[in-house]
Amino acid sequence: AQSVTQLDSQVPVFEEAPVELRCNYSSSVSVYLFWYVQYPNQGLQLLLKYLSGSTLVESINGFEAEFNKSQTSFHLRKPSVHISDTAEYFCAVTPSGTYKYIFGTGTRLKVLA
Amino acid sequence: DVKVTQSSRYLVKRTGEKVFLECVQDMDHENMFWYRQDPGLGLRLIYFSYDVKMKEKGDIPEGYSVSREKKERFSLILESASTNQTSMYLCASNLQGGVQPQHFGDGTRLSIL
Repeated sequence: AQSVTQLDSQVPVFEEAPVELRCNYSSSVSVYLFWYVQYPNQGLQLLLKYLSGSTLVESINGFEAEFNKSQTSFHLRKPSVHISDTAEYFCAVTPSGTYKYIFGTGTRLKVLA
Repeated sequence: DVKVTQSSRYLVKRTGEKVFLECVQDMDHENMFWYRQDPGLGLRLIYFSYDVKMKEKGDIPEGYSVSREKKERFSLILESASTNQTSMYLCASNLQGGVQPQHFGDGTRLSIL
């Protein structure tokens, strides 16, 4: 069975500091990987995705994630965070050939002034 | 832009009531999903529909049923509401074929008293 682990439930960080949100997955088949962001009182929005090709993927608002097959990881990074990045971030995987998304338990990023 | 609309943002019901949560999407997506979101547990799939009148159970279908009479509308039904069904409910949709990201509604926060 597939699973997704986000070890950090909360990450406080000061504004303009770098941040890394960790995501590890377990799967016996190939997977596609996603990061979603949830702002307060809203649904989830797609932040970025890895389907194939370059292992480093970027979003329009400065986040990036790198797919590491050997370590089964897809960590999310940003070199300099803003107050507006305060949100909950979910890592998700879709096993190849299925409709199903498996979500991690989420990481609350709190950016401090 | 894809729009997934959930009929209520907040809902308060009593135990034993039959509760309907409605979701409508406007992008002709084949797939629709119902999740519940609880702190520390992430998103858990309740039911999935891949076509009109077609449905599959997710990971936690007990106590729930669904209805999809039209392609754009997917309803979640709590047959006899219980307090342990107090939660945030999220609807999502996506296209079939390939690996398509899910698009989410803003959620319904349901309280069962």
